[in-house]
Amino acid sequence: GAVVSQHPSWVICKSGTSVKIECRSLDFQATTMFWYRQFPKQSLMLMATSNEGSKATYEQGVEKDKFLINHASLTLSTLTVTSAHPEDSSFYICAPPGPINYGYTFGSGTRLTVV
Amino acid sequence: AQSVTQLGSHVSVSEGALVLLRCNYSSSVPPYLFWYVQYPNQGLQLLLKYTTGATLVKGINGFEAEFKKSETSFHLTKPSAHMSDAAEYFCAVSASNTGKLIFGQGTTLQVKP
Repeated sequence: GAVVSQHPSWVICKSGTSVKIECRSLDFQATTMFWYRQFPKQSLMLMATSNEGSKATYEQGVEKDKFLINHASLTLSTLTVTSAHPEDSSFYICAPPGPINYGYTFGSGTRLTVV
Repeated sequence: AQSVTQLGSHVSVSEGALVLLRCNYSSSVPPYLFWYVQYPNQGLQLLLKYTTGATLVKGINGFEAEFKKSETSFHLTKPSAHMSDAAEYFCAVSASNTGKLIFGQGTTLQVKP
C-alpha cells in the first residue's frame, strides 16, 4: 500500500511564530493531499485539500492566511501554521487519497503545541 | 450531504467479551464506509471498508462490520476483545463524487482485564 511520511511528529513553538509540517508520499505520486486537524478527544475535521500545481481548497471556516498549504511537487505537500497561537495547538494529519474505494493512507500525524 | 454518527463516545468491555461499536450514516449517494483505529499520538489505520458487494466485511485484527442499508448502519464487531484493542475507533463515510472522508465523533474502546 501507499507509504506516507509526515514530519515532524511533534513540535513545540512560541506564540507568534510559524511552523511548517511536511507530508511526503514515498512510493507514489500524490496530486492531491487532504489535511485534517484533530483536537483532543475529538474527531478529525478536514481543513483543506492541496492540489499539485494549483491553489489549495479550504473548508468553510478555515483561515487561508493562517494555514498556508503548498503542494509544489507530486511527492510533497506542506502545511504552514503562521503566527501560531495556543488555540492552534492540535494534532494535524495528512492523507493522500487513493482510489475512492481504497480509503486513505494517513500520515503519522504532527502534534503541535503552541506555548 | 453526508454525515456519520457513532453512538457512544466510550465503550468498556472485559477482555474476551464481544466488542460492538455502533455507526450510523447519512448519505444521498451510495456510500463507501470505513472503520479506522487510532492509537495515542498516531495516525489512523484502516481496519476495514465497504464499497460494493458482500455486506459483511472482514478486516484486520479479527474485526468485521456489516453494511445494513435499511438501517443505514455499519456497526463494528469483534467476538473476543484483547487488551491491545484499546484505542480510539472512527467510522467514516465517503462519497464517490467527492473523495472526501467524513468522520464520526469517535468511540474510545476500553478493555478491562
